[in-house]
Amino acid sequence: QKEVEQDPGPLSVPEGAIVSLNCTYSNSAFQYFMWYRQYSRKGPELLMYTYSSGNKEDGRFTAQVDKSSKYISLFIRDSQPSDSATYLCAISNTGFQKLVFGTGTRLLVSP
Amino acid sequence: DTGVSQDPRHKITKRGQNVTFRCDPISEHNRLYWYRQTLGQGPEFLTYFQNEAQLEKSRLLSDRFSAERPKGSFSTLEIQRTEQGDSAMYLCASSLDRVDPTRGFGPGTRLTVL
Repeated sequence: QKEVEQDPGPLSVPEGAIVSLNCTYSNSAFQYFMWYRQYSRKGPELLMYTYSSGNKEDGRFTAQVDKSSKYISLFIRDSQPSDSATYLCAISNTGFQKLVFGTGTRLLVSP
Repeated sequence: DTGVSQDPRHKITKRGQNVTFRCDPISEHNRLYWYRQTLGQGPEFLTYFQNEAQLEKSRLLSDRFSAERPKGSFSTLEIQRTEQGDSAMYLCASSLDRVDPTRGFGPGTRLTVL
């Protein structure tokens, strides 16, 4: 079993839709949860990170963690064509020595 | 642009050849990480440095792989006797110590082994 599971997609939505991206993880020892965005032929860039359970909002993006069910989510409101990218969830221990990534979900937002 | 640079951006080599990649982190960052990403997969951790010390190595890093960060600044990743299975994107990232998650990665070096 992979430590982090993520649906690879692709997920296609019209512009303006609310997007929900999800991951599950197996190791309850991890405490930090990250979302990265990766455009084609680029390296991943950090969007948000959260510690423990709860929600964190940044503009159109909301990250949600439910440690009891080992489930993490990223919501994108008012999605834009420029949001079209691969979204990677990642988990980490304290100290961020090593990130464990999901496979990434490819998102396509059509105008 | 995260400020992490990698060179070369693309490398095509024949099986059995040695290749070396370079990563220049953000100047004040004392941590440097190498990851490998294959098509349709997320990045996989290879190794990381705190200043010039290599503190952790993944089991993915076979004895054909060696990484160095001689002065705690740039880093090199060498692959000896390349195999077709080494074809991947090699990503470098840097961060400030243990309080800061990896903010961004370099553009990567895409290796193709023929």
